[in-house]
Formats: sequence, C-alpha cells, structure tokens
Amino acid sequence: GAVVSQHPSWVICKSGTSVKIECRSLDFQATTMFWYRQFPKQSLMLMATSNEGSKATYEQGVEKDKFLINHASLTLSTLTVTSAHPEDSSFYICSALGLAAYSYEQYFGPGTRLTVT
Amino acid sequence: GIQVEQSPPDLILQEGANSTLRCNFSDSVNNLQWFHQNPWGQLINLFYIPSGTKQNGRLSATTVATERYSLLYISSSQTTDSGVYFCAVITGNQFYFGTGTSLTVIP
Repeated sequence: GAVVSQHPSWVICKSGTSVKIECRSLDFQATTMFWYRQFPKQSLMLMATSNEGSKATYEQGVEKDKFLINHASLTLSTLTVTSAHPEDSSFYICSALGLAAYSYEQYFGPGTRLTVT
Repeated sequence: GIQVEQSPPDLILQEGANSTLRCNFSDSVNNLQWFHQNPWGQLINLFYIPSGTKQNGRLSATTVATERYSLLYISSSQTTDSGVYFCAVITGNQFYFGTGTSLTVIP
C-alpha cells in the first residue's frame, strides 16, 4: 500500500513554455502533499505544502506565480512550472502524507526530471 | 528551522561489510524517518522511528530523541544498497531533510 505516482517521469521543454506535473496517491487519500526540488548531489528542498481544497503554502524564496500548485482532490496534486527557463531544470519530487494513528508518514513519488532547453 | 546533519557524507564499503549512518538534529521533533534514494531517484521508506529501535532484515535503526540523534545500521551490505540515505525529522507536519549519506558498495 501507500503508493504515490508522478507523471511524467521526465520531460524536455523549450524555454518559455509551461509544464504540468501530476502527483497521485493511488491507494490512499492524502489531504496534504508536498513538492520538493532536488539538484544533483544535494538534499531535497521543500518548495511548497499542498492542502486539498485550499491554497498551497510556499517556502520562502519560492515564486508562487512561477510554480503553480493545485490540490483539487484527495488523490491529486499538480505542479505547473510556468514560463520555464533553463534554471528551472531539476528533479521534482512529490510526496503524500499518509495518516496512521498518531503518526505522519510521508510517501514519495518516483520524481519528474525536467530539462528546459 | 531545524538543522539536520548526517554523517559521514560519503561512504564506500566492500560488499559484506557493516556500516552505521548517523543523523543529528538540532531541536526536539515529533518523529523521524529514514529513506533510501536509489540511483534512479526514487525515495524508499526504510523506517518511521520516533524513538527506540526497529529492525527490517539487514537494516535496523535506533532513535534517541532525548539526545537528538538517530542511527541507521546496515549489515552485510550488498551492491543494491548503494544510493543516498536521508533522514528527515518531523515537527507538526513539517519535514526537514538531512544532508544525506552517499553510500557505494563495491563487489
């Protein structure tokens, strides 16, 4: 159980275009999902926390107009990178918070590798 | 925010060797998780361990919350154990990731 999928797994786009990444919890409902960015050989950097039915909470330094997050259902959150530029190239990972009794365990998607040319 | 430091940053092991990875955190936390990121980037949950000791096959973990550290033990390492190991501490529902330990197991 507790499987999270991401789509696409990799994408190449031209500078100036927008890219949408989907994150789905397949066998559980997730009221909270997280979006991370990871540069090569570095740790994960939290970009935003996505709560179902409400606006996402962005970490300091993350442009909310550039990285649009929508969490429209209990199993789906989307991240749209608008007007992408080469510096947006990165590995984007989502996770979903699985609630068990008195615990908050995080389950990760396989990641999306974005390359902007 | 909470500082989470892992050591060592890099580790090379001969297949069959044992190792201990450490995670230190700077403040009280509600919980802690250990993850393995494989060479393809997928993060795999290893342990959810707020305190005490857990074991799963060749892996075990111990968290001493009062002293703000956790240890991950890998015994009889295999080449498939290669990758990066992260700990993440949890306060409320906010996760703070550690700096990671990159493990390479050579045959």
